[in-house]
Amino acid sequence: GQNIDQPTEMTATEGAIVQINCTYQTSGFNGLFWYQQHAGEAPTFLSYNVLDGLEEKGRFSSFLSRSKGYSYLLLKELQMKDSASYLCARVDSNYQLIWGAGTKLIIKP
Amino acid sequence: GAVVSQHPSWVICKSGTSVKIECRSLDFQATTMFWYRQFPKQSLMLMATSNEGSKATYEQGVEKDKFLINHASLTLSTLTVTSAHPEDSSFYICSAPLYEYNEQFFGPGTRLTVL
Repeated sequence: GQNIDQPTEMTATEGAIVQINCTYQTSGFNGLFWYQQHAGEAPTFLSYNVLDGLEEKGRFSSFLSRSKGYSYLLLKELQMKDSASYLCARVDSNYQLIWGAGTKLIIKP
Repeated sequence: GAVVSQHPSWVICKSGTSVKIECRSLDFQATTMFWYRQFPKQSLMLMATSNEGSKATYEQGVEKDKFLINHASLTLSTLTVTSAHPEDSSFYICSAPLYEYNEQFFGPGTRLTVL
């Protein structure tokens, strides 16, 4: 199928590091997005990976392994405002996005 | 970055009425726009792909006669929810891809409540 799997919910402490994993079907793959979505708002773009490896953007980094069908989003120096849902989405062979269900990240003081 | 706007941002209507939602790309042209629906605590679900100058492509299970899509120009797509019912209450989001940047830009969303 076109399943994308990511944990439903994660909890982390302010100032800490958290890694959100995403696994996906490898066939017809044209890249993987990570989006952040605060409650009641549209998603905002975090990263796009199409090649293997780690891409770093400030406190956020995204990793991709195409052969394993695996990606993760790494958030460092967590802040309370990072409490949100994090969605991974795979680009399929038709260049449409297939969405994961999202991971709700709860940050505690 | 590129900007996509949606109007209205929220709407409340009576059951049986029709509601039109506009999606505009403000500073770039979009031959393709996507319409998503999101129910509370669920992920985005693609409803249809809007194509400028041709018919929209609907996802399986989405009624094309109920959710009318018109992509009238390179900067405007509209979604009309016809004969809305309470179960159509949802958050409707459009997006437009900017292929050269491998990115999709989302509108702010429209919250529809059908009484």
